[in-house]
Amino acid sequence: AQKITQTQPGMFVQEKEAVTLDCTYDTSDPSYGLFWYKQPSSGEMIFLIYQGSYDQQNATEGRYSLNFQKARKSANLVISASQLGDSAMYFCAMRGGKLIFGQGTELSVKP
Amino acid sequence: DAGVIQSPRHEVTEMGQEVTLRCKPISGHDYLFWYRQTMMRGLELLIYFNNNVPIDDSGMPEDRFSAKMPNASFSTLKIQPSEPRDSAVYFCASRKFSFRDRGLDTQYFGPGTRLTVL
Repeated sequence: AQKITQTQPGMFVQEKEAVTLDCTYDTSDPSYGLFWYKQPSSGEMIFLIYQGSYDQQNATEGRYSLNFQKARKSANLVISASQLGDSAMYFCAMRGGKLIFGQGTELSVKP
Repeated sequence: DAGVIQSPRHEVTEMGQEVTLRCKPISGHDYLFWYRQTMMRGLELLIYFNNNVPIDDSGMPEDRFSAKMPNASFSTLKIQPSEPRDSAVYFCASRKFSFRDRGLDTQYFGPGTRLTVL
């Protein structure tokens, strides 16, 4: 069975600092994809970054990077230079067929 | 591209009424997904279509829920009769499958429909 776990229900970070949001997964499928989505208070789901299970390098998209540790089955999201607009819910998701989501982490950026 | 379009954005109805949620996927996408989000259960996949054909509806909670995709540019999710516990945000998402570039194999979400059943 596939499973996604986000153990941090909420986190605080000071503006301009980096923050890491944890995500661990479990699957027996050798081919899978890992995603991070951002959900601001307005409610929409915004795709941030993708990592394929066979990708050799960690994915990066601007201030977002994915720390992919395959042996540990973790896919942590790193946001560098946090901005006030980064305050939102962040969801980790895994696709090995269907897309399944973690419970989310609420990030609050303090000025 | 306009992105995934959902309507209505908000719906308030009374228990027992029929509710129809609508979705227009991104043009050219061949997969369409319906999700439900609640505080208690998080994001749940209800059903998804590939080339307008329902592939997996195991997430549909009850027979009161039904979904259709009559063509590549339109899908509906219907609840009949609605109940207060159906109150949630319903998201539609679409994606285009690509062997070559898996970065394209990303689901893009619509803005959601916030449903309140009184």
